[in-house]
Amino acid sequence: DQQVKQNSPSLSVQEGRISILNCDYTNSMFDYFLWYKKYPAEGPTFLISISSIKDKNEDGRFTVFLNKSAKHLSLHIVPSQPGDSAVYFCAASSDGTYKYIFGTGTRLKVLA
Amino acid sequence: DTAVSQTPKYLVTQMGNDKSIKCEQNLGHDTMYWYKQDSKKFLKIMFSYNNKELIINETVPNRFSPKSPDKAHLNLHINSLELGDSAVYFCASSSGTGWETQYFGPGTRLLVL
Repeated sequence: DQQVKQNSPSLSVQEGRISILNCDYTNSMFDYFLWYKKYPAEGPTFLISISSIKDKNEDGRFTVFLNKSAKHLSLHIVPSQPGDSAVYFCAASSDGTYKYIFGTGTRLKVLA
Repeated sequence: DTAVSQTPKYLVTQMGNDKSIKCEQNLGHDTMYWYKQDSKKFLKIMFSYNNKELIINETVPNRFSPKSPDKAHLNLHINSLELGDSAVYFCASSSGTGWETQYFGPGTRLLVL
């Protein structure tokens, strides 16, 4: 059972525009969400997180939005840069556990 | 200075063999993990150790045995390798057992022929 879903396997965006990556989850017990970024032949690196008590968290060009009623979160990157081209994984956990459930990732290509 | 390192990076082996993957972290973290990324790109947790003690053991076959000789190392030994074990295995570490950021190694690509 796939509790965390990223339904878009890939996304292409022009440099300077906004990239929006989406993630849906089914487990209402999830209360902490993260985005990881992964370059080829490297491990995932932490990007940004949000707890369920917030609906938005911003860090520079990256903003994560959480819609608990829809069980949906999104990552906005503005403006997108070619170096942002990578695979983005969303992950979720519950009850303060470190057992993250990952989505399958969305490959973002930012075109120069 | 690599924070989480894994060896080897690539591993090609025959079915039935036994192999080990090593992981080391120099971040001073107490918790280490093994994840498996399969052909469908699912990244699933397999094991977690905190201060050398096993705290997560997902439904992984007994052929997989983690070993933590000290807090900085978590090795993964796989017996009687099967075709379905082909995947990328990631090691990770974090400073605690809560929501702390997990730092990942570069991955080990295992191909079982």
